[in-house]
Amino acid sequence: QSVLTQPPSVSAAPGQKVTISCSGSSSNIGNTYVSWYQQSPGTAPKLLIYDNNKRPSGIPDRFSGSKSGTSATLGITGLQTGDEADYYCGTWDSSLSAGVFGGGTKLTVL
Amino acid sequence: EVQLVESGGGLVQPGGSLRVSCQASGFTLSTYWMSWVRQAPGKGLEWVANIKQDGSEKYYVDSVKGRFTVSRDNAKNSVYLQMNSLRAEDTAVYYCARDGPGRPRDYWGQGTLVTVSS
Repeated sequence: QSVLTQPPSVSAAPGQKVTISCSGSSSNIGNTYVSWYQQSPGTAPKLLIYDNNKRPSGIPDRFSGSKSGTSATLGITGLQTGDEADYYCGTWDSSLSAGVFGGGTKLTVL
Repeated sequence: EVQLVESGGGLVQPGGSLRVSCQASGFTLSTYWMSWVRQAPGKGLEWVANIKQDGSEKYYVDSVKGRFTVSRDNAKNSVYLQMNSLRAEDTAVYYCARDGPGRPRDYWGQGTLVTVSS
C-alpha cells in the first residue's frame, strides 16, 4: 500500500490528452513539492516534472504538472505511442522522514 | 555527462549480507544528496534511503531501518548500500539516484538486481 495514491492504469488514443492523479496528505504533497517520473519497460525511471510543474531540459512541453492541496496531476497532451510507460509521482513525507512514491500508473496509448 | 553505475548485486541467502555500490561521474558528488530506490519484480518504485552531501544525515524507509546502512566516499565518487539480514522481500532492482537541488532523483543509474533466495 503506497503512501501516495495513483490510478493503476489510464488509456487514450494517439493525439489525445490524458491526466494522471496523485493523492496524498498534509504530511507529504500538502507540505512540499511533487515530482513525476516516467519508466519505460526495462529501463530506469526518468525525471519528467519537479517542483510540481517544472520540466528538466529535454522534456517536451506536452508534459505538464500541477498541484492543489494534497493532490497533484500529471498531464500529457498530443499522446504518442512512445509515451506508453509507467508514471510515478514522488515527494518527501515529513511525518515519516522518508521519500515516498505513488504505486504507479500504466499509460496505454490505444 | 552525468553517469551513475551500480554494481554488487547478486544472489544471496536469506539472513545474508550484500553491499551494492554506485559509481558517480560527470558531476561533483560531494555537492549532492544521493538516494537509493528499489523496485521488486513487477512492482512499483520504493524509496529506500538517502544521504546528505557530507554523510552527516541519513534517512531510511521503515522496512530497512536497522538492517541497511547508506554511506558514501566522495573522494572515490561512490555511494554504498550495505544490506544485512536480508529477506526475500528485499529482492529487487536497486537504483542509485542523484538528488539535484529542488530536483529529487534527477539522474538514475541502470540498477543492480539483488535476489534473496535459498
